[in-house]
Amino acid sequence: RKEVEQDPGPFNVPEGATVAFNCTYSNSASQSFFWYRQDCRKEPKLLMSVYSSGNEDGRFTAQLNRASQYISLLIRDSKLSDSATYLCVVSLGGGTSYGKLTFGQGTILTVHP
Amino acid sequence: ETGVTQSPTHLIKTRGQQVTLRCSSQSGHNTVSWYQQALGQGPQFIFQYYREEENGRGNFPPRFSGLQFPNYSSELNVNALELDDSALYLCASSLMEQSYEQYFGPGTRLTVT
Repeated sequence: RKEVEQDPGPFNVPEGATVAFNCTYSNSASQSFFWYRQDCRKEPKLLMSVYSSGNEDGRFTAQLNRASQYISLLIRDSKLSDSATYLCVVSLGGGTSYGKLTFGQGTILTVHP
Repeated sequence: ETGVTQSPTHLIKTRGQQVTLRCSSQSGHNTVSWYQQALGQGPQFIFQYYREEENGRGNFPPRFSGLQFPNYSSELNVNALELDDSALYLCASSLMEQSYEQYFGPGTRLTVT
């Protein structure tokens, strides 16, 4: 079983749509959770951290369910510029695992006019 | 821009050769992590360097080695290149105390023929 698994996608949605990405992780000792965005042939960039209480940044909302080991990202009112690959990322934190980020395989989102 | 630079941008090598990739970390950062991203996959953790010592390693063979210099820049060396080593190699810099906040460079795209 992969350490971090995401919806395989791809997602193809019209502008203005709401789209949700799901992710599960296998290691219950994981401590930090993130969503990264990666544009084609570019480096990953941190989109947002994910907290148990849920957090929102504009049109983006992230949720974490530690009991189910499940992470989600909701994008409302999709824009053309949201087209990218979205990576679910988990970190154990502490000891020699400190700073090791474990990535899911990514979900491709294409927003069309 | 993150301030993390990598060189070269692209590289083509032949199977069995050796390669050295370079990374300059963001000013003030003391930790460098290296990741390999194969086409269509999420990045995979190779290793991390802190204070010129390896501080954690992923599931990569010993022919993947690294160095960190006193100015915190880093090198990734790969010996006896194999076709499967073809990938985007990303370095990420961070502060050890906040290693979960990693800033990625643009990557080096390595092709092994």
